[in-house]
Amino acid sequence: QQPVQSPQAVILREGEDAVINCSSSKALYSVHWYRQKHGEAPVFLMILLKGGEQKGHDKISASFNEKKQQSSLYLTASQLSYSGTYFCGTPTGNQFYFGTGTSLTVIP
Amino acid sequence: DADVTQTPRNRITKTGKRIMLECSQTKGHDRMYWYRQDPGLGLQLIYYSFDVKDINKGEISDGYSVSRQAQAKFSLSLESAIPNQTALYFCATSAGGTDEQFFGPGTRLTVL
Repeated sequence: QQPVQSPQAVILREGEDAVINCSSSKALYSVHWYRQKHGEAPVFLMILLKGGEQKGHDKISASFNEKKQQSSLYLTASQLSYSGTYFCGTPTGNQFYFGTGTSLTVIP
Repeated sequence: DADVTQTPRNRITKTGKRIMLECSQTKGHDRMYWYRQDPGLGLQLIYYSFDVKDINKGEISDGYSVSRQAQAKFSLSLESAIPNQTALYFCATSAGGTDEQFFGPGTRLTVL
């Protein structure tokens, strides 16, 4: 039930771009994205809904392919503050499943 | 003041002890959740509640119980703690299923 994310880890230099993918074996009705700094609580980034509606961060973009049951998060011109672990998440039935996580490290 | 608070923030206990973790929110949300996070891993849903009278088991509810004392309060209990329940526990709230979740700061629990 847990969505699978790729890559598991990525290291970037400041200014570089990254794409994080989230894939589910179940039908996706919405996809959430969160970022978690080490030892801290996850922080909301954005939600993508069926039909193309998005809610959230205006400096981060994402896509949602309902047919392929996939979502991708696009981080452009990365900054040091982007470092952390990124999780996708999706409601399935009444439950909520977070993905396996992607560790992103931005270096100067 | 924080919208979602958790107490205690850190707790060390012994095998077999009963432990209660508490969560309070001022967001006015009906939905509340308890998650567990093991080191280097994602979050797993333990229990969730859509209102005071609606409590549901999540993915990993065995060994845990919950109480929704009011709209704003949701407590997680470990009736008889065991070492593999050592983890970081997060409480979260949301307005609805497709709305963002707001997380508390977490409780780091160690069971010896």
